[in-house]
Amino acid sequence: AQSVTQLDSQVPVFEEAPVELRCNYSSSVSVYLFWYVQYPNQGLQLLLKYLSGSTLVESINGFEAEFNKSQTSFHLRKPSVHISDTAEYFCAGGGHEKLTFGTGTRLTIIP
Amino acid sequence: GAGVSQSPSNKVTEKGKDVELRCDPISGHTALYWYRQSLGQGLEFLIYFQGNSAPDKSGLPSDRFSAERTGGSVSTLTIQRTQQEDSAVYLCASSPPGQSQYFGPGTRLTVL
Repeated sequence: AQSVTQLDSQVPVFEEAPVELRCNYSSSVSVYLFWYVQYPNQGLQLLLKYLSGSTLVESINGFEAEFNKSQTSFHLRKPSVHISDTAEYFCAGGGHEKLTFGTGTRLTIIP
Repeated sequence: GAGVSQSPSNKVTEKGKDVELRCDPISGHTALYWYRQSLGQGLEFLIYFQGNSAPDKSGLPSDRFSAERTGGSVSTLTIQRTQQEDSAVYLCASSPPGQSQYFGPGTRLTVL
């Protein structure tokens, strides 16, 4: 069975500092990987996805994630965070039929 | 364009009662998914509908849980004889064939 692990449940970061949210997946299934974001009191939104091709994928708001097959990782990074990035971030993997989600990482931006 | 909608947004019920949760997917999306998000945990897959195919019910936690999708559109998740451990946010998502899932705002279920 596919598993997705997010090692950090909470990550506090100072505003304008870089951040990395870690995600590792099991290698037992074909790999589609996603990051979803859940802003306070809102639903889940797709942030970015890796399906095939370039291992570096980017979102429109400055986040990027790199698919690393050898390390079975799909860490999410941003070089400079803003207050508006405060949210919970979920890594997910699997096919398009059903996704296996990690337990989420709560990103808190410190002014 | 409307997104995925779910109703009710909040539901409080007593242990032992039945509840129905509704999901209206995005028009034209053939796939529909139900997930459960419990406090402090990730999202747990429950059930998946794709077109006219038999649904994938592999994630339903017990036979108290069932779901149907009428006319390939609206879906209802039913929980019979609710228990306190059923308290969670129930999320619905839909997608076009082979594409990413779009999530609704969820229904927060509280079983007293």
